[in-house]
Amino acid sequence: DQQVKQNSPSLSVQEGRISILNCDYTNSMFDYFLWYKKYPAEGPTFLISISSIKDKNEDGRFTVFLNKSAKHLSLHIVPSQPGDSAVYFCAASARGGTSYGKLTFGQGTILTVHP
Amino acid sequence: DAGVIQSPRHEVTEMGQEVTLRCKPISGHDYLFWYRQTMMRGLELLIYFNNNVPIDDSGMPEDRFSAKMPNASFSTLKIQPSEPRDSAVYFCASSEQGARNQPQHFGDGTRLSIL
Repeated sequence: DQQVKQNSPSLSVQEGRISILNCDYTNSMFDYFLWYKKYPAEGPTFLISISSIKDKNEDGRFTVFLNKSAKHLSLHIVPSQPGDSAVYFCAASARGGTSYGKLTFGQGTILTVHP
Repeated sequence: DAGVIQSPRHEVTEMGQEVTLRCKPISGHDYLFWYRQTMMRGLELLIYFNNNVPIDDSGMPEDRFSAKMPNASFSTLKIQPSEPRDSAVYFCASSEQGARNQPQHFGDGTRLSIL
């Protein structure tokens, strides 16, 4: 039972254009969402997060949008740069009990930005 | 400030042998997480600790796996006996108290190959 899904295994975009990575979730208890970026042979690094009380959070070139009714979130990168080429993971956290601080990850999307 | 440190970075061993993975979390972080990444299952949480106490070990695949955190600066994940299907990248992560909305910081992982 995959509670966090990233249905696109890969995405290829041209440098300078927008990259849009998508994520869907099924657990209605999830109320905090994060995006992590991972380079080969390294651990994931935190990129940006959003609480369910918001529908948008922006940090420089990165913006995360949350649509609670659709249980969908997306990460926009504008403009995309070759250094953004990495695997992007969507993650979600639920409130309460042993779920405190626990993250459920999606399968990841490989982003390739071409010069 | 040093990040999460994992050792070894690579481990190759034969089926049936005991494997011990080590993790040093970021100083001051009260939460420690062990994850496993495989092609089939993605990044999945195995167990996490709060103040050295195991909180949720529901992700531990079977009794061959065990994890300990004897003090705030050290944790181990042990597999005994190891099997080829345990081959994966194992990540350790830590986060601050109130980890609910604090990003987790990951180590660079241990790539484990069981022959």
